[in-house]
Amino acid sequence: KAGVTQTPRYLIKTRGQQVTLSCSPISGHRSVSWYQQTPGQGLQFLFEYFSETQRNKGNFPGRFSGRQFSNSRSEMNVSTLELGDSALYLCASSLDGRENTEAFFGQGTRLTVV
Amino acid sequence: DQQVKQNSPSLSVQEGRISILNCDYTNSMFDYFLWYKKYPAEGPTFLISISSIKDKNEDGRFTVFLNKSAKHLSLHIVPSQPGDSAVYFCAASRAGNTGKLIFGQGTTLQVKP
Repeated sequence: KAGVTQTPRYLIKTRGQQVTLSCSPISGHRSVSWYQQTPGQGLQFLFEYFSETQRNKGNFPGRFSGRQFSNSRSEMNVSTLELGDSALYLCASSLDGRENTEAFFGQGTRLTVV
Repeated sequence: DQQVKQNSPSLSVQEGRISILNCDYTNSMFDYFLWYKKYPAEGPTFLISISSIKDKNEDGRFTVFLNKSAKHLSLHIVPSQPGDSAVYFCAASRAGNTGKLIFGQGTTLQVKP
């Protein structure tokens, strides 16, 4: 069974640009969550999608957005990039995000904003 | 407001001995707790979880203990192996909301041969 796949693995962008990251969940998993990891703030929850709807949202500005497709694949978008957006962005999938089941993470996308 | 805290940034143990990693939480609505292991530039790997209806869960060398009254959980690794050297995160979620995990800051475990 394939794991969670995130693309691309590495990305370098310039301040002010926008970026789109992709996540393919484990087959059969319908909940996809996104997290940002930085040295100073640790792992922080961005948002969760289930059945193409945003179900939970963390405390990030509106520049961070996401969506989920009918096949459960998800994308997150960051507009007007700032230097502070440099981070490891992680996607996690779980069966439905409701029952007490574990979430499995992808390898992450390392975003560097210059 | 740090709802999940791992107060020890690092821990060093000898191979073969027990490693004990600790985690405290403040939100009494948290119902489900997980431990993840993470290597640099990789995603976290799930280790073990525990529901609030239990106070202990074992899986091989890993055991998680939950003390609800103290809002404290711990991960025991016995025996510790050099390959266990990594950053360990505890995470918590509210009942029926496991799509949103709140993470501690992590503890770096070093197991010396």
